Amino acid sequence: DQQVKQNSPSLSVQEGRISILNCDYTNSMFDYFLWYKKYPAEGPTFLISISSIKDKNEDGRFTVFLNKSAKHLSLHIVPSQPGDSAVYFCAASKGTSYDKVIFGPGTSLSVIP
Amino acid sequence: EAGVTQFPSHSVIEKGQTVTLRCDPISGHDNLYWYRRVMGKEIKFLLHFVKESKQDESGMPNNRFLAERTGGTYSTLKVQPAELEDSGVYFCASSQEAYGYTFGSGTRLTVV
Repeated sequence: DQQVKQNSPSLSVQEGRISILNCDYTNSMFDYFLWYKKYPAEGPTFLISISSIKDKNEDGRFTVFLNKSAKHLSLHIVPSQPGDSAVYFCAASKGTSYDKVIFGPGTSLSVIP
Repeated sequence: EAGVTQFPSHSVIEKGQTVTLRCDPISGHDNLYWYRRVMGKEIKFLLHFVKESKQDESGMPNNRFLAERTGGTYSTLKVQPAELEDSGVYFCASSQEAYGYTFGSGTRLTVV
């Protein structure tokens, strides 16, 4: 069963507007959440993360929000830029800090100039 | 610093053949992970090495898959014999600190 879900396979946004990517998880034992970005023919690259003790983490244009009661997190990109066009993977981990990371299926973001 | 290197980048083999994928992690990274992405689905965990030891191999699909990590350096993932459902992109990642995964570019395996 899929423990990390990204129900929107794709998203299109105009340049300069906000992109909101959503993620839901089922395992309440997850205590660390990450977003990765992937360009074609490349491996995923780490973007931003959040610990379960926080509800928001911000890094430049990227903000991740965590709603533990709803088992939901979201990634906000503002303003969106054409270079942000990529596949975004939500991921989660539990237990020890070196425990495996569980990935969602990804959302393909297209930022239209 | 050099990144995580995987080769080959692409491999096309016939069903029943053997394929070996190689991963060279970032020097000094004790943790090495193998993941696989099949046709637009999630990136699924296969296994985790700490140095030369298998820490977690719960994601290995079956005994046709064999992973090794020689002397805690590079790792190989062998599929023998390959089946059609083994097609996908195989990613390797390494880390030294918590959650600090660095991924390679992946090996695209096509079994025909």
